Amino acid sequence: EAGVTQFPSHSVIEKGQTVTLRCDPISGHDNLYWYRRVMGKEIKFLLHFVKESKQDESGMPNNRFLAERTGGTYSTLKVQPAELEDSGVYFCASSQLTDVGYEQYFGPGTRLTVT
Amino acid sequence: RKEVEQDPGPFNVPEGATVAFNCTYSNSASQSFFWYRQDCRKEPKLLMSVYSSGNEDGRFTAQLNRASQYISLLIRDSKLSDSATYLCVVIINYGQNFVFGPGTRLSVLP
Repeated sequence: EAGVTQFPSHSVIEKGQTVTLRCDPISGHDNLYWYRRVMGKEIKFLLHFVKESKQDESGMPNNRFLAERTGGTYSTLKVQPAELEDSGVYFCASSQLTDVGYEQYFGPGTRLTVT
Repeated sequence: RKEVEQDPGPFNVPEGATVAFNCTYSNSASQSFFWYRQDCRKEPKLLMSVYSSGNEDGRFTAQLNRASQYISLLIRDSKLSDSATYLCVVIINYGQNFVFGPGTRLSVLP
């Protein structure tokens, strides 16, 4: 079974530009999450989709970040305009309910560098 | 105070050693607990879920103490391949988003 995939693996953009990250969850997983790790800090939650609906977006840092999951399959996370502090690794994860809760499976991440 | 705190590490241990990591969480409404491992520049991978009664998976044993808001991970007979950062993860209330600890780095030396 294919795991969570993310594209691109790396992105280097200039401040003020726009970048769109993509995540394809494990097939059949209704739950999709975005997380971010900035250098030297722990991984932080950004938002959570259940199918195509935003369940929790409390972790989104500001309105420069826009996440979508049209059709409840893959998701995109757009940063517009990018700022220097947006640099970091953006992880996507997906899950389905199990006996112990929602074990999440992570994609390889997109490393974003804003210069 | 951080919601999830871990031993700062790093832990440098010889092959075959037993090593234990500790994790504390501040929110008593925390519901689910996990240990993930993360290799350098890779994604977190599920190591084990932590059950109320404690659980074991081969060389790995996880314990949960709700009264003390404390989770532990014990690794027996350490292998070189166990070298990684170990992340303590908590789900608070009945939400589903993970709250990560800062991680504890383990290096197993030959």
